[in-house]
Amino acid sequence: GAGVSQSPRYKVAKRGQDVALRCDPISGHVSLFWYQQALGQGPEFLTYFQNEAQLDKSGLPSDRFFAERPEGSVSTLKIQRTQQEDSAVYLCASSSFASSYNEQFFGPGTRLTVL
Amino acid sequence: KQEVTQIPAALSVPEGENLVLNCSFTDSAIYNLQWFRQDPGKGLTSLLLIQSSQREQTSGRLNASLDKSSGRSTLYIAASQPGDSATYLCAPSSSFNKFYFGSGTKLNVKP
Repeated sequence: GAGVSQSPRYKVAKRGQDVALRCDPISGHVSLFWYQQALGQGPEFLTYFQNEAQLDKSGLPSDRFFAERPEGSVSTLKIQRTQQEDSAVYLCASSSFASSYNEQFFGPGTRLTVL
Repeated sequence: KQEVTQIPAALSVPEGENLVLNCSFTDSAIYNLQWFRQDPGKGLTSLLLIQSSQREQTSGRLNASLDKSSGRSTLYIAASQPGDSATYLCAPSSSFNKFYFGSGTKLNVKP
C-alpha cells in the first residue's frame, strides 16, 4: 500500500483481556515507531524499531506492554491484562533513512477502549 | 525529558485571516522539528520538517520557522480556509528515533 496501515481501527476490550494491535509500515521503511495518544493530548512515544531490532522501549508504560517486529516489516503491539487507563489511540509511524532525514509517516491509529 | 508547549490551545478565525501558531520546547539540543496536522479520528499528516541547521521551511500557504537557541517554532498559515480546520501538532526530535509532541492547537476556520 501507499501508506502506513493499522488494524483493527477500533477495539473494545473488557478489563483483563489481552489485545494485539497490528501495524503495516510503508514498504521498505527501516524505522517503525509506536505512540500512545490519550484524548485531547499529543502522542507519546512508546517504542522504536530499526528493522527487527527494538532499539528503544523506554516509553512502554508497564511490563504489560510488549512490541515485536520479527521480520523487520509488520509490527504488533500487545497489551496484556488491559486496564481502563490503557484506553487511548495507538499510532504507528514509519520512516526511511532515505526520505527527508527522519520524517515520520503515520497510520490512522487504533482506538482502544477498555471497559 | 523534552517538554513541548503549544499556544493557543484553540483558535477560531474567519476565513481568509493569516494566523500564527506557537510552539516552545525546553531542550534546545534538537535534531529537527516537524509540524503535523491531525483531523478528527485520523492519524497525523506531516506538513513541514525543519532540520536543526535551518531557520524556516515553506510549503504553499504554510511557513514554519525555527529558533533553536530560544526553543521556539512558529507555523504561519496564510489566507486560512475552512479546510485548514484541524489540530496542529509540533514535534521536536532530540534524536533520530524520538519525537516529543505538544498537546496541539485546535484550529477552526469559519466560512
